[in-house]
Amino acid sequence: EPEVTQTPSHQVTQMGQEVILRCVPISNHLYFYWYRQILGQKVEFLVSFYNNEISEKSEIFDDQFSVERPDGSNFTLKIRSTKLEDSAMYFCASTPGLTSQPQHFGDGTRLSIL
Amino acid sequence: GENVEQHPSTLSVQEGDSAVIKCTYSDSASNYFPWYKQELGKGPQLIIDIRSNVGEKKDQRIAVTLNKTAKHFSLHITETQPEDSAVYFCAARGFDGGSQGNLIFGKGTKLSVKP
Repeated sequence: EPEVTQTPSHQVTQMGQEVILRCVPISNHLYFYWYRQILGQKVEFLVSFYNNEISEKSEIFDDQFSVERPDGSNFTLKIRSTKLEDSAMYFCASTPGLTSQPQHFGDGTRLSIL
Repeated sequence: GENVEQHPSTLSVQEGDSAVIKCTYSDSASNYFPWYKQELGKGPQLIIDIRSNVGEKKDQRIAVTLNKTAKHFSLHITETQPEDSAVYFCAARGFDGGSQGNLIFGKGTKLSVKP
């Protein structure tokens, strides 16, 4: 079964540094999402992306965050100047086309800010 | 916006017993309700979902019920097995004219199945 893949599995970064998290969504999917899960808490929506532009974003997704689909396969989340509170698991998800289709999640990137 | 409440936060059952996890949502316009299972070190895996035009859906040992009037939905796992032990999340799809389907999650239920 096709999977959403995320790299790296664990990223350790100094506070203030830029970090890029990478995702390869399922190949025929058209809608892409980033979610965040702080340790022990619920999964929170960050941003959705369709047709090469942001469709929707949450309050968490401030000017420090950006997303990009640099080629036909990758979908990236960039945090420009990381803060301690950015430490979390970041999950990428994708869905085939219609907004009511199931979202398939990757296994996440654990981001640790020192 | 949508808000999803999930109970209980932890649930311990004996192998073979049933487990029930309940969620409520606030936005009556929400129309899609998935359940995810998250094992340690893994991402959420969809186990079952239900749309607002049906009241119940079953897949082997797993079933979900939806009460639109009361705005609550429940996950039922029968004949539980140790491998069912995980954190379970309910979610609702927030809906408005411009929504692209982002999910609003509950806080999760840690299910432990004791052999």
